[in-house]
Amino acid sequence: GAVVSQHPSRVICKSGTSVKIECRSLDFQATTMFWYRQFPKQSLMLMATSNEGSKATYEQGVEKDKFLINHASLTLSTLTVTSAHPEDSSFYICSARDSSGVWNEQFFGPGTRLTVL
Amino acid sequence: RKEVEQDPGPFNVPEGATVAFNCTYSNSASQSFFWYRQDCRKEPKLLMSVYSSGNEDGRFTAQLNRASQYISLLIRDSKLSDSATYLCVAYPNYGQNFVFGPGTRLSVLP
Repeated sequence: GAVVSQHPSRVICKSGTSVKIECRSLDFQATTMFWYRQFPKQSLMLMATSNEGSKATYEQGVEKDKFLINHASLTLSTLTVTSAHPEDSSFYICSARDSSGVWNEQFFGPGTRLTVL
Repeated sequence: RKEVEQDPGPFNVPEGATVAFNCTYSNSASQSFFWYRQDCRKEPKLLMSVYSSGNEDGRFTAQLNRASQYISLLIRDSKLSDSATYLCVAYPNYGQNFVFGPGTRLSVLP
């Protein structure tokens, strides 16, 4: 299947700092990418839908000024957690939809584990 | 009511057992359905799509009942490596987002 990468895989930061997470589709173009958050022993929760060349669509309860999303190209979306706090510690996973492939298939990145001290 | 609901689990079964997972969805307009598998601290990986006619892939069988808005996954001859969380996913329509169920954890015991 298609490959989606995320970087970094793990990050530990101090409270108040900002953290940027990259999501790349390596062998396909993705006009749409999704950002999920998963707390321990809970299911994935969609945070936002990232659309290439336009503003992201955020789910209810997700602060767009805190979780900045940029989808500048067909292969890259970034999520920046601004002024991170310990409650932002979580597993962040992106997924990408292949623009030219099967319309209902999404491929997931390996995830980024964020720990805010 | 959640859009996609699953058995709460966890399921603890011995090796070789047959185990069935159930899933229901509330959006009758949902077009496609999937079962994903997620290992601890890893991303979800597609296990199989679910077709209206039912489909089988080795030890795994998926069924869909649109009238009852019900999806199932059957695992036969469980292996230790089957231990994971199984996520039921509904896909409403093109351009919309996947809707994940909460997942059911399976532990296959030696």
